[in-house]
Amino acid sequence: KAGVTQTPRYLIKTRGQQVTLSCSPISGHRSVSWYQQTPGQGLQFLFEYFSETQRNKGNFPGRFSGRQFSNSRSEMNVSTLELGDSALYLCAGKLTLNTGELFFGEGSRLTVL
Amino acid sequence: TQLLEQSPQFLSIQEGENLTVYCNSSSVFSSLQWYRQEPGEGPVLLVTVVTGGEVKKLKRLTFQFGDARKDSSLHITAAQTGDTGLYLCAGERGGATNKLIFGTGTLLAVQP
Repeated sequence: KAGVTQTPRYLIKTRGQQVTLSCSPISGHRSVSWYQQTPGQGLQFLFEYFSETQRNKGNFPGRFSGRQFSNSRSEMNVSTLELGDSALYLCAGKLTLNTGELFFGEGSRLTVL
Repeated sequence: TQLLEQSPQFLSIQEGENLTVYCNSSSVFSSLQWYRQEPGEGPVLLVTVVTGGEVKKLKRLTFQFGDARKDSSLHITAAQTGDTGLYLCAGERGGATNKLIFGTGTLLAVQP
């Protein structure tokens, strides 16, 4: 079955701009989580969506937002980009909101200049 | 505050050597997962341990969950170049905020 698809894979933005990243989980997976990965901080949880509702949120400023559509696809948006937002953004799907394996995409690598 | 500390951070060894990676916390987890991430890829689940003291084997990899469910270890026997990657432990706290907390990661390089 098709894996988790994230687009775009790479992008370069400048400070102050905004960016939207997209994630399509494996068919049937209704929970989508987003993580930020940097060399210094590792994998940091951003938020989790299930049935189009945000269920969990990490400790990130309000510039980071997300949403989920009825087909489980999810988008995350970062406004007023800062240099420190440069990172690999990973999305991960799982079948339900409860415990279980996370299926990650290959990530979207964002560089902010 | 990082809840899950992994050690060592970096490890470079020769093919055929054995190694152990540790994942430690002061918090109790309902379950703990181990992932491996290769360059340009997302993390892939290796194993989930649930019961305190549990030991699971995956070919040359042996995973152990501490008795108190606060720590875990990953032991690789006779490492191969294909074992190269970033190893991440991730703990699940359960309850209302049921989200995975990832460890700081261990970057393993196995030299031929």
